[in-house]
Amino acid sequence: QSVLTQPPSVSAAPGQKVTISCSGSSSNIGNNYVSWYQQLPGTAPKLLIYENNKRPSGIPDRFSGSRSGTSATLGITGLQTGDEADYYCGTWDSGLSAVVFGGGTKLTVL
Amino acid sequence: EVQLVQSGAEVKKPGESLNISCKGSGYSFTSYWIGWVRQMPGKGLEWMGIIYPDDSNIKYSPSFQGQVTISADKSISTAYLQWSSLKASDTAMYYCARPVSTVTTPFDYWGQGTLVTVSS
Repeated sequence: QSVLTQPPSVSAAPGQKVTISCSGSSSNIGNNYVSWYQQLPGTAPKLLIYENNKRPSGIPDRFSGSRSGTSATLGITGLQTGDEADYYCGTWDSGLSAVVFGGGTKLTVL
Repeated sequence: EVQLVQSGAEVKKPGESLNISCKGSGYSFTSYWIGWVRQMPGKGLEWMGIIYPDDSNIKYSPSFQGQVTISADKSISTAYLQWSSLKASDTAMYYCARPVSTVTTPFDYWGQGTLVTVSS
């Protein structure tokens, strides 16, 4: 059981928008920055969002992040078939003194 | 260009020992932490621990403390993940990754992964 809770799967049509939620607690999301990773099939994870809503260089603005209280959300607009991947949220947990991840959400672009 | 290059896939028997590696290049290896992340087959990411190569300061996840050993040799810019006695449940893909700066910051560079298979 992961410390952070994500829906197992989401789906949407090409061109549409999707959001992926990540729920935690005051020891993690509530008091620490959230990051999001994309893992394409058979590849290493890739950082998409850091510090709740910032995008590393090269990440298109179709990807966005937000945090409210003890939850965070990843948004993806203008969905493309190439966005089909597993998405993970992550943050520091002050109680565990460890990085914790969500269980991952599989995005299907129908 | 920052690169983390991991050692190749391993097939081991239960009870055997194993040491996998992660070689950093394109940056000052002693100035950044290096972490390890486990991904069991079909499962999510799990943070195992992290090391600061300059002084070998190590932080383990409570879930992995005592189960593995993290080390580094700064003279050859390489971090290691070691098992003294493997179990079938250690079968997984293992990634090394470099955080943006401190231990609490996200990983912005990742190795390609090392697949470890433990089977009798």
